[in-house]
Amino acid sequence: QQQVKQSPQSLIVQKGGISIINCAYENTAFDYFPWYQQFPGKGPALLIAIRPDVSEKKEGRFTISFNKSAKQFSLHIMDSQPGDSATYFCAATSGYSTLTFGKGTMLLVSP
Amino acid sequence: DAGVTQSPTHLIKTRGQQVTLRCSPKSGHDTVSWYQQALGQGPQFIFQYYEEEERQRGNFPDRFSGHQFPNYSSELNVNALLLGDSALYLCASSSPLERGNSPGYTFGSGTRLTVV
Repeated sequence: QQQVKQSPQSLIVQKGGISIINCAYENTAFDYFPWYQQFPGKGPALLIAIRPDVSEKKEGRFTISFNKSAKQFSLHIMDSQPGDSATYFCAATSGYSTLTFGKGTMLLVSP
Repeated sequence: DAGVTQSPTHLIKTRGQQVTLRCSPKSGHDTVSWYQQALGQGPQFIFQYYEEEERQRGNFPDRFSGHQFPNYSSELNVNALLLGDSALYLCASSSPLERGNSPGYTFGSGTRLTVV
């Protein structure tokens, strides 16, 4: 059972555009939702995270929007740059438990 | 400040063999988790070690086992290797303080295991 569903599988955005990646979860016990960025040959690196008591969190060009009632959250990358080209994973966890990941979105930002 | 260190970076093994992967956590971290990342997939949780004991385990067979040492480093062992075990194996570490406020695990770069 896939507890975190992520879409799209791949995304091509022009430089300067907005990249949007969506995730949906099933387990209402989840209370922490991080996004990870992974470059080829590297491990995932924490990008930004949110707890369900807020609806939005912004850090630089990266924004998480959270809809608790719909059990959905999304990552918005503003002013996308070629250096943002990577695979992005949403994840979820509860308490001190482990991370449940989505299947990932391969983002390509064209120059 | 070194992050999470994994060794080796790449490994090729034959079906039926056994393999041991190693992980040194980030300084100050006491908990180590192992994940398997198949090509084109998200990481899947294998197990987590804390205070030298397996605290949680994902849906992986007993062929997968681990160990945590007093210095918090950890090993992942896989016996009777199958072709399907080919994947990137990631180690992630965390600390009590981080878990309480923002449990963003720090990942290593992984070990790429190829079973032929």
